[in-house]
Amino acid sequence: EVQLLESGGGLVQPGGSLRLSCAASGFTFSTYAMGWVRQAPGKGLEWVSSISGGGGDTTYYVDSVKGRFTISRDHSKNTLYLHMNSLRVEDTALYYCAKQAAAGSLYYFDSWGQGTLVTVSS
Amino acid sequence: ETVLTQSPDFQSVTPKEKVTITCRASQTIGSSLHWYQQKPDQSPKLLIRYASQSISGVPSRFTGSGSGTDFTLTINSLEAEDAATYFCLQTYTLPLTFGGGTKVEIK
Repeated sequence: EVQLLESGGGLVQPGGSLRLSCAASGFTFSTYAMGWVRQAPGKGLEWVSSISGGGGDTTYYVDSVKGRFTISRDHSKNTLYLHMNSLRVEDTALYYCAKQAAAGSLYYFDSWGQGTLVTVSS
Repeated sequence: ETVLTQSPDFQSVTPKEKVTITCRASQTIGSSLHWYQQKPDQSPKLLIRYASQSISGVPSRFTGSGSGTDFTLTINSLEAEDAATYFCLQTYTLPLTFGGGTKVEIK
């Protein structure tokens, strides 16, 4: 059974930094692309970033986070990360870690974690 | 960016009724359109992949259709447990984009 467990969320001031983690189990982590999707309170879903699998580790970002967020993965720990810098109030959201259906980033998300809440406020 | 426009935003439906939700893409996306269900305080759950392909474990009353720019999610004979918000997702091109969601309420 696929399990994705996010951690690292919290309250941070504008301009601050956070690192989100997602511990994965139940599948061959390195094979699949992984992504982060966020949901602002009471709002819809927004794709934030993906990293390809199959050894490529190519990264992709939505324009609003380019240059501020960095996605990475540690294959030895089966863990996905999202390093978030220069945080803005509009980054406040529940951040989901999600597994994509294949190695490339143009694939749907077939498993999701429960999310970790990031609140950016002074 | 491919914009996905869902309609309606909200629907209040009696049990056993049929529900139809549409998702229109701002440019052609082939069949790279997927549907999710999100219940309150839960993470999204995949219902349909590639416009019409069923997912193991998902009740057969959930069906999808369409290609190109116009897609439909149909819930045949709505059940009380289907109260949720439904989202579409396109994976034809980056950035991946979601529709705004359709909230289905049970009358």
